[in-house]
Parts: sequence; C-alpha cells; structure tokens
Amino acid sequence: DAMVIQNPRYQVTQFGKPVTLSCSQTLNHNVMYWYQQKSSQAPKLLFHYYDKDFNNEADTPDNFQSRRPNTSFCFLDIRSPGLGDAAMYLCATSRVGGATEAFFGQGTRLTVV
Amino acid sequence: GESVGLHLPTLSVQEGDNSIINCAYSNSASDYFIWYKQESGKGPQFIIDIRSNMDKRQGQRVTVLLNKTVKHLSLQIAATQPGDSAVYFCAEGFFGNEKLTFGTGTRLTIIP
Repeated sequence: DAMVIQNPRYQVTQFGKPVTLSCSQTLNHNVMYWYQQKSSQAPKLLFHYYDKDFNNEADTPDNFQSRRPNTSFCFLDIRSPGLGDAAMYLCATSRVGGATEAFFGQGTRLTVV
Repeated sequence: GESVGLHLPTLSVQEGDNSIINCAYSNSASDYFIWYKQESGKGPQFIIDIRSNMDKRQGQRVTVLLNKTVKHLSLQIAATQPGDSAVYFCAEGFFGNEKLTFGTGTRLTIIP
C-alpha cells in the first residue's frame, strides 16, 4: 500500500500559470519534505515542514511556496512556472529525530509549455 | 561547502556478478549515511543505512561499508539481477536535523 501519495503523477502547465502539486501520507510522520529533481541529478531540497514549522532552504526561489494544512497533507505551489521549473517533484516524510528512512512518494513530473 | 559525491557516474555489470558503488563524502561530522535506489520514473527507495559509529552493515544481498579515515562509503550488491538496474544515491544526515544531503548518483546497468 502506498504510504506517501503524490498527485498527479504527471502535470503539464503553461508558462506563468500557477500550479499546485499535492502530497499525502498515511504514516503520521512529523516531517514532510519537497524536493526538486532534474534529469540525471540528485534530489534538491526546496523546503520542509517539521509539524507546522516551515523551513525554507536559502536558495529556494520565492516562486515556490508550500502549505501544510494538517499532518497528512502538504502542497507545493509554483506561482509562476518557468521553463526551468520543469522537473520531477518529490515529496518525502520522516519521523521526528532525523531523516533516517525518509519515505518518498512516486513523484510528480512537471512539464512547462 | 561540504558535499557528498560519487566517483563513478555510470556502472555496467554482468548479471550475476557483484557490483560496488562508491561514494565520497566530505563532512566528517555526519551521523549516518543512507543508500537509496531510484528506478526510472519513480521516487527514491530506501535500501540500507549505516551510522557513523559502524564500519559495516549487511542487508539482503547488500552490504554497506564505511571508511571514516578516507571518508568513503560503498554499496556492494551481490549476485546482481536485472531489477537492480537503477540510479543509486548516497545521502548523509545528522541526528536531530531533519535534512538529508544527496550525492550525485550512479547509474547501474545490469547486462543480461
């Protein structure tokens, strides 16, 4: 059974048109992460939530925002997608106390046209 | 800044042979290391982890070795199978800090 679920698996959006990617988890983990992964590259952390506390990476563009309305759900909002934002977006969760055994979703592949 | 990196970006191995994937890290203060497997179009999947106070850990068909003297981490996969074809990432982290730093990745291809 899927424990970290990302929807949709594939998303096509227009240049400059806001888009939201969603993630849900059944693990009841405190921490939820959003990573950006471009082709043949390592996942790059954009930000994460520790419970309701939002932690933004210093180099994450302002174009990327996130919401976590409750423990189970977390959203990635891209306010004005550019062609360079086309990537795989990965959601992950982990328990309090460290990132060991972070569980990843299947990812959402975003295409910007 | 400190980083985690890999020596070889690609590795081809004959089916049934053993494979060794290497990773160099520069932060000697890391508390643990994780190997992830990522198949095409999927999210990374946890394989095995090792804490910094260990030098070896074994799983099913996999062994991770940690050499803190030279800051080197390796993943050994025994008797490789076609399903082992994937990109393998090493990552490092600290206890009490929720973030993981990923290395560059190695693409492993199993030749039938």
